[in-house]
Amino acid sequence: GAVVSQHPSRVICKSGTSVKIECRSLDFQATTMFWYRQFPKKSLMLMATSNEGSKATYEQGVEKDKFLINHASLTLSTLTVTSAHPEDSSFYICSAAETGLGETQYFGPGTRLLVL
Amino acid sequence: RKEVEQDPGPFNVPEGATVAFNCTYSNSASQSFFWYRQDCRKEPKLLMSVYSSGNEDGRFTAQLNRASQYISLLIRDSKLSDSATYLCVVNRAYNTDKLIFGTGTRLQVFP
Repeated sequence: GAVVSQHPSRVICKSGTSVKIECRSLDFQATTMFWYRQFPKKSLMLMATSNEGSKATYEQGVEKDKFLINHASLTLSTLTVTSAHPEDSSFYICSAAETGLGETQYFGPGTRLLVL
Repeated sequence: RKEVEQDPGPFNVPEGATVAFNCTYSNSASQSFFWYRQDCRKEPKLLMSVYSSGNEDGRFTAQLNRASQYISLLIRDSKLSDSATYLCVVNRAYNTDKLIFGTGTRLQVFP
């Protein structure tokens, strides 16, 4: 089956620093990847859609200058949380849709971010 | 109104019980419907897609009522390993991969 990996699985950082999270599709190509955030006991919220070779599209209320997304290849998208603050602490999950095969999305294992 | 609404539970049921979860969605243009399962502190995993005619996968049966914008999941003969949060998921609108997640219904199966 399709596998999506994320790195790191968890990160603790100081307030004001930037954190980069990688999302890779390991055995398939993904034109589109999605970034979600999940706070405790809440639903996954779509943050942005990452498109290979073009700019990401952000959901309403998500600051594009704070959450930088780069989708440089068909197997890698990165999310950088810039100038992280404690309120950015959350579970960040990516998903990837296999190119040309419709809507099945495969989720990465998530990255747990704690900003002190 | 939330785009996808679910009863958060928890549903505490004994092994072997049958349990049903319901979900309503607000966007009549949604075309794709899914149930995902999420274990504590893990990523969601696709349980099954939901088709208009209803579909079954082993002990799991999903139903869709487009007129009422209502989706259901029935689990028969519950196992301890079924304990998890079940997420109702719809796509945002026709022909888009953007998924909207419900907050999930927590199921706890006890011996």
